[in-house]
Amino acid sequence: DARVTQTPRHKVTEMGQEVTMRCQPILGHNTVFWYRQTMMQGLELLAYFRNRAPLDDSGMPKDRFSAEMPDATLATLKIQPSEPRDSAVYFCASGLVFLDRGLGTEAFFGQGTRLTVV
Amino acid sequence: KNEVEQSPQNLTAQEGEFITINCSYSVGISALHWLQQHPGGGIVSLFMLSSGKKKHGRLIATINIQEKHSSLHITASHPRDSAVYICAVRSETSGSRLTFGEGTQLTVNP
Repeated sequence: DARVTQTPRHKVTEMGQEVTMRCQPILGHNTVFWYRQTMMQGLELLAYFRNRAPLDDSGMPKDRFSAEMPDATLATLKIQPSEPRDSAVYFCASGLVFLDRGLGTEAFFGQGTRLTVV
Repeated sequence: KNEVEQSPQNLTAQEGEFITINCSYSVGISALHWLQQHPGGGIVSLFMLSSGKKKHGRLIATINIQEKHSSLHITASHPRDSAVYICAVRSETSGSRLTFGEGTQLTVNP
């Protein structure tokens, strides 16, 4: 049963600490998204990758956030240093986009990482 | 004005009722998604539409491209349908990024 796997599911950390969230996309998917969900802002796109290359990270605060795909089976989102306003649920999603046909599958979401920065 | 607007924001229904959630958008799109988020937080993709109508079990999604409007219908609603339903659009010019509506909180009472 293919699914997007995120770790950890929950993370509580102190302000100033580094946080790393991990995502294993569905095997064969070529597009990976990072979203953040808060009560105030709802769901927001932070960054996304196509074939491991970052295509759009304009939604991400560059000074403290970084997103990478070291290989096709792992995407990471890092916050350094973390701040209380980063407290949110971070979702990873993956999908398959056929660039030549302009078609794509639905985005499959992971269970999310609930981050609390105190 | 948000690019994607949903109505209603909150909806309470009795078990068995027919439910409609609406989504209007202001940009040209290549696809529209309906997502379901349960109280535990997990997000499930229900539909992806670019035209017409799709049906999965008791769920039906329709889209009218000319009117920039989509509806999600639930027939014979059940308490387990209680969740937040989110409309998201992929604009023609944004590549793969999705823009989300604020969601509709549905509560179905037994």
